[in-house]
Amino acid sequence: DGGITQSPKYLFRKEGQNVTLSCEQNLNHDAMYWYRQDPGQGLRLIYYSQIVNDFQKGDIAEGYSVSREKKESFPLTVTSAQKNPTAFYLCASSTLIYRGENTDTQYFGPGTRLTVL
Amino acid sequence: AQSVTQPDIHITVSEGASLELRCNYSYGATPYLFWYVQSPGQGLQLLLKYFSGDTLVQGIKGFEAEFKRSQSSFNLRKPSVHWSDAAEYFCAVGAPYNNNDMRFGAGTRLTVKP
Repeated sequence: DGGITQSPKYLFRKEGQNVTLSCEQNLNHDAMYWYRQDPGQGLRLIYYSQIVNDFQKGDIAEGYSVSREKKESFPLTVTSAQKNPTAFYLCASSTLIYRGENTDTQYFGPGTRLTVL
Repeated sequence: AQSVTQPDIHITVSEGASLELRCNYSYGATPYLFWYVQSPGQGLQLLLKYFSGDTLVQGIKGFEAEFKRSQSSFNLRKPSVHWSDAAEYFCAVGAPYNNNDMRFGAGTRLTVKP
């Protein structure tokens, strides 16, 4: 059963803590993305990665960090530098154009809700 | 950079009635266009997408959308709404050959009255 999994579903963070959100995909997708969703707003891109060991900042990368050590995995760390981390975090993946597939389509995981206590 | 506007924050329709959700985009060329649906506390599910060709696109769950270049619109329609369609709907616009530059609208929340 192919898809994208995110864990945990709910996460609570105390002030000053770093927390890591997991994202795994078994779709053999090259690219992976992290978005933040706030009530009444669309999704905003935090980081993306097109290939292992490489990633790029999105629109709101400050206070976040990522790694891409494996094609299947793209964990997101919310650091203590992120002043307002309470949000719903969505991971997505897609294939890349160079594969010749018309697949500029991002597929999403179920999300992680992070709350700061 | 491209952008997308969903003018309606919240729409209420009766079950069995028709539905149209509006989406307007801004992009210098023909964009890639998407509609996603999100149930509370869940991820986004792709309903349909437009890349090129026929401007009327059929999607899952009985939804369709029409790309109108002259109006910079990509409105989502369904002829008869079911209670299970209650959710939040997001329109997104992407730059062709650039997976990383997708912009999402703020969403339209659909309520279905019995």
